[in-house]
Amino acid sequence: QVQLVQSGAEVKKPGASVKVSCKASGFTFNIYAIHWMRQAPGQRLEWMGRISVGNGNTKYSHKFQGRVTITRDTSARTAYMELSNLRPEDTAVYYCARFIMVPTAYSGFDYWGQGTQVTVSS
Amino acid sequence: DIVMTQSPDSLAVSLGERATIYCNSSQSVLYTSNYKNSLGWYQQKPGQPPKLLIYWASTRESGVPDRFSGSGSGTDFTLTISSLQAEDVAIYYCQQYYNFPWAFGQGTKVEIK
Repeated sequence: QVQLVQSGAEVKKPGASVKVSCKASGFTFNIYAIHWMRQAPGQRLEWMGRISVGNGNTKYSHKFQGRVTITRDTSARTAYMELSNLRPEDTAVYYCARFIMVPTAYSGFDYWGQGTQVTVSS
Repeated sequence: DIVMTQSPDSLAVSLGERATIYCNSSQSVLYTSNYKNSLGWYQQKPGQPPKLLIYWASTRESGVPDRFSGSGSGTDFTLTISSLQAEDVAIYYCQQYYNFPWAFGQGTKVEIK
């Protein structure tokens, strides 16, 4: 069955970096993009960026440009999101989700990871 | 950037009654190449990731009950729950995938009256 399994919770100090992984199984990995969103307590979902698994092309939200890097390892069927120069306001649950890259088959974010809590505190 | 705005922020509806949520995008999300709107609706319950309900503004995801329906075009969209059930208590989000950066609305909390 389709699964996206994320790495575990992280606690970081301000100024540090965090790298969250998203391991995919049960589907053809390279016809999808993996997107990353985050949700601070009581806040809306915030789109951060995505990577096209097939060719590695990335798109980022302007808000995170320069601080976020999304990569993938196709042999490991895993995508990664690294956020640098962490601030307390980066405390949030971070989600990965898949979106098919075949335009005629577009749907939405049909499978999500379980979420990874990242806490930034001194 | 496209800004997504939902109304109301919260909604209390009696069991079995209709719930209607509105979503406005700051610019059209209609693809003129296929005349489809790049708009999705999601349901999120506490402690869970969002669940896809509707895509292309009106296409119900497989397995989603038919009491959920989406409509609208261009900049104005609606999610309707025709007969609210207890398990529908959640926060609902619209999301555009027309232009980067993709964006979500602020959410509408649906409760039982």
